[in-house]
Amino acid sequence: EPEVTQTPSHQVTQMGQEVILRCVPISNHLYFYWYRQILGQKVEFLVSFYNNEISEKSEIFDDQFSVERPDGSNFTLKIRSTKLEDSAMYFCASFSTRGSNEQFFGPGTRLTVL
Amino acid sequence: RKEVEQDPGPFNVPEGATVAFNCTYSNSASQSFFWYRQDCRKEPKLLMSVYSSGNEDGRFTAQLNRASQYISLLIRDSKLSDSATYLCVVNENTGNQFYFGTGTSLTVIP
Repeated sequence: EPEVTQTPSHQVTQMGQEVILRCVPISNHLYFYWYRQILGQKVEFLVSFYNNEISEKSEIFDDQFSVERPDGSNFTLKIRSTKLEDSAMYFCASFSTRGSNEQFFGPGTRLTVL
Repeated sequence: RKEVEQDPGPFNVPEGATVAFNCTYSNSASQSFFWYRQDCRKEPKLLMSVYSSGNEDGRFTAQLNRASQYISLLIRDSKLSDSATYLCVVNENTGNQFYFGTGTSLTVIP
């Protein structure tokens, strides 16, 4: 069964450092998403991406965040200067309008900012 | 504006019990509805889509009431393995946005 993969599974970084979280969506999907979930809280939408550009972003997705699809398979989330409050699980998801209309989630990257 | 609202619980029920969760959504133009299950520190996984006619999958029954803008999930004969957080998710289709509820925590007790 096709799946979304994410690397690394856990990233520890110092405050102010840049991090790049990587995702490989399901190959024939066209819509990609990043979400974050602070421990014990709800899943929060960050950004959606379609046709090589951002289609929507939340107020959380400020200038410190950026996304890229550098090649045909990877989808990355970059945080330029991490803050303590960026510590969370970051989930990538992909979606296709054909079929079940379901979002498929990757296993997540746990980001810890010290 | 809270697009999707759920009672966060927690719901603590004995094995074998029937438990129901409700979820309300604010956008009447919402198109697709889902229940996801999330285990502790894991990614959300689709439990079932919710159709207008209602649908059942084994011990799980989902209902959609468009007029009142709510979705329900009924779990019959609860098992210990049903312990998880249940997320209500709504797709508004414009930009293919998915909105998540806060999740309802369920613990099934032996």
